[in-house]
Amino acid sequence: DTAVSQTPKYLVTQMGNDKSIKCEQNLGHDTMYWYKQDSKKFLKIMFSYNNKELIINETVPNRFSPKSPDKAHLNLHINSLELGDSAVYFCASSQAGGNNEQFFGPGTRLTVL
Amino acid sequence: AQTVTQSQPEMSVQEAETVTLSCTYDTSESDYYLFWYKQPPSRQMILVIRQEAYKQQNATENRFSVNFQKAAKSFSLKISDSQLGDAAMYFCAYRKNRDSGGGADGLTFGKGTHLIIQP
Repeated sequence: DTAVSQTPKYLVTQMGNDKSIKCEQNLGHDTMYWYKQDSKKFLKIMFSYNNKELIINETVPNRFSPKSPDKAHLNLHINSLELGDSAVYFCASSQAGGNNEQFFGPGTRLTVL
Repeated sequence: AQTVTQSQPEMSVQEAETVTLSCTYDTSESDYYLFWYKQPPSRQMILVIRQEAYKQQNATENRFSVNFQKAAKSFSLKISDSQLGDAAMYFCAYRKNRDSGGGADGLTFGKGTHLIIQP
């Protein structure tokens, strides 16, 4: 069974479009995350979200917004896509307590033309 | 804010040899976790090993071990008996302990080290 899944795995779109990436976890975790990995492989946190707080990295443009319909899902919406948004986006989840491990999805490669 | 530094963009090692990847970090916190993640060409992020800051004993997972020096804020990864399947990007990461106010904080990553295994 897939622990953290993302759809789609690949997304190619035109500048100016609006797109969404879906993320689901079946681990019963209470917190979910979105990370961006740029062309140089640098990974940076974008959002952290649980039912108590949303933490937004201050460097993330407000064109990006997380939406959580329930505890198992955290979708990423991107408005007015720009060339610089091209990257791999990873969803992850973790549980309070224990070893703080985060489980990652397979990533979504977004290409903006 | 915390930072994680990996000073080796690329490392190369002969198969069956031992290699050490370096990582230093900066934080004012005392209760945190450190991680090494592996990212093969498939791009899946795989946890290799973790270390709790309050534990003095270095973590070990089979051929992987760490040298954790809390005072020096150093967290290196040693891979013994290197195998072709170890070839990947390796990322060092930091996270404040969730149970000590870390809340929903994400991981802070270093820029990664590309490990090449020579057959």
